Amino acid sequence: GIQVEQSPPDLILQEGANSTLRCNFSDSVNNLQWFHQNPWGQLINLFYIPSGTKQNGRLSATTVATERYSLLYISSSQTTDSGVYFCAVNPSWGKLQFGAGTQVVVTP
Amino acid sequence: DGGITQSPKYLFRKEGQNVTLSCEQNLNHDAMYWYRQDPGQGLRLIYYSQIVNDFQKGDIAEGYSVSREKKESFPLTVTSAQKNPTAFYLCASSMRKPGTGANTGELFFGEGSRLTVL
Repeated sequence: GIQVEQSPPDLILQEGANSTLRCNFSDSVNNLQWFHQNPWGQLINLFYIPSGTKQNGRLSATTVATERYSLLYISSSQTTDSGVYFCAVNPSWGKLQFGAGTQVVVTP
Repeated sequence: DGGITQSPKYLFRKEGQNVTLSCEQNLNHDAMYWYRQDPGQGLRLIYYSQIVNDFQKGDIAEGYSVSREKKESFPLTVTSAQKNPTAFYLCASSMRKPGTGANTGELFFGEGSRLTVL
């Protein structure tokens, strides 16, 4: 099946810092999503981005489908950004494959 | 409000007992999914359903069963055959792209159910 690799596995940031999370995948995909899992376990949709660039407030994402990677940018990080960020892709309908996630800790 | 509701949020079960987790959505989504998450891990697909009365096994279906009798509901039963049932269970749904009939695949999740087997 398709392989999804996220890096770095862990990230510690000081409040106000910027960061980039990366997601590499091993095959062409029809769908790519970024999620944020908060400390209570809830998965929040950040971006649905099979290609191109999108922005939502301090977050933005870029997917370069031809080169099989996606980037999530966090600018001016806040403590509420802490949690796990997951990238998920699907090469065929209905079976989204998740990466292992990036654990982000933002310190005051 | 539209959304996906999972219940119960926390559940304790003795070994050898079956337990059923509820998932209800009022988003009018056609497809529904169950995922399992273990501590520090990503999500793994248990079962999914594209339409009513139809469902397919995911990557880790052994020891689980589902039904899809209504569009809004996709309950998951964790049977006594599941060897390591203690986990966080997440239900999700996805919509069709308007005008095409093709499913967008964009997933939306419920808040999850934490199952602990004692």
